[in-house]
Amino acid sequence: QITLKESGPTLVKPTQTLTLTCTFSGFSLSTSGVGVGWIRQPPGKALEWLALIYWNDDKRYSPSLKSRLTITKDTSKNQVVLTMTNMDPVDTATYYCAHSEIAVAGISFDPWGQGTLVTVSS
Amino acid sequence: QSALTQPASVSGSPGQSITISCTGTSSDVGGYNYVSWYQQHPGKAPKLMIYEVSNRPSGVPDRFSGSKSGNTASLTISGLQAEDEADYYCSSYTSSSAVVFGGGTKLTVL
Repeated sequence: QITLKESGPTLVKPTQTLTLTCTFSGFSLSTSGVGVGWIRQPPGKALEWLALIYWNDDKRYSPSLKSRLTITKDTSKNQVVLTMTNMDPVDTATYYCAHSEIAVAGISFDPWGQGTLVTVSS
Repeated sequence: QSALTQPASVSGSPGQSITISCTGTSSDVGGYNYVSWYQQHPGKAPKLMIYEVSNRPSGVPDRFSGSKSGNTASLTISGLQAEDEADYYCSSYTSSSAVVFGGGTKLTVL
């Protein structure tokens, strides 16, 4: 059974850097074709894809947020970390991490973590 | 990268069929067979319903089906049930090696 859980601060100040950790079980990020992605959802709004890291350390970023995002993995700890710099109130959202496996479901996300709400406010 | 275009809302009665469209460009929906659909109930994480345009993950009822024509993908739900009431999002791989989501569609079961 694959599970993922997001952790990190619930409140950050404007201009600060957000660091979120996704801790997972039930799969290995050293297995060919496997990846972990980050997606966010502002309250009452649509999903927005942020970043994706694959087993071979291939990293993909949202073109509109690329300059602010960094995604890394720690295979030994079964963790993926997302950092987002220069946080702004418009970045207030629920942040999700999700599993991806090309050979199983192409470029899609399944399952997802429960999400963590991050509020940006002074 | 602009979000894919979905209708804001659709509705149908129990037992009926509905279709949700997802319109992109030749750089995303039209260019790749990596279109996915997700169901999200209020306060819950999204759930994958369709991947690679028309494939259903294990456990997803066959009432859910997907298709694509040109730059537009579609999700059809037949035999509508009360529990299908939710928000639905499409997504696609893009020529920028990225992923883009649609704006979401609220399905109301009357």
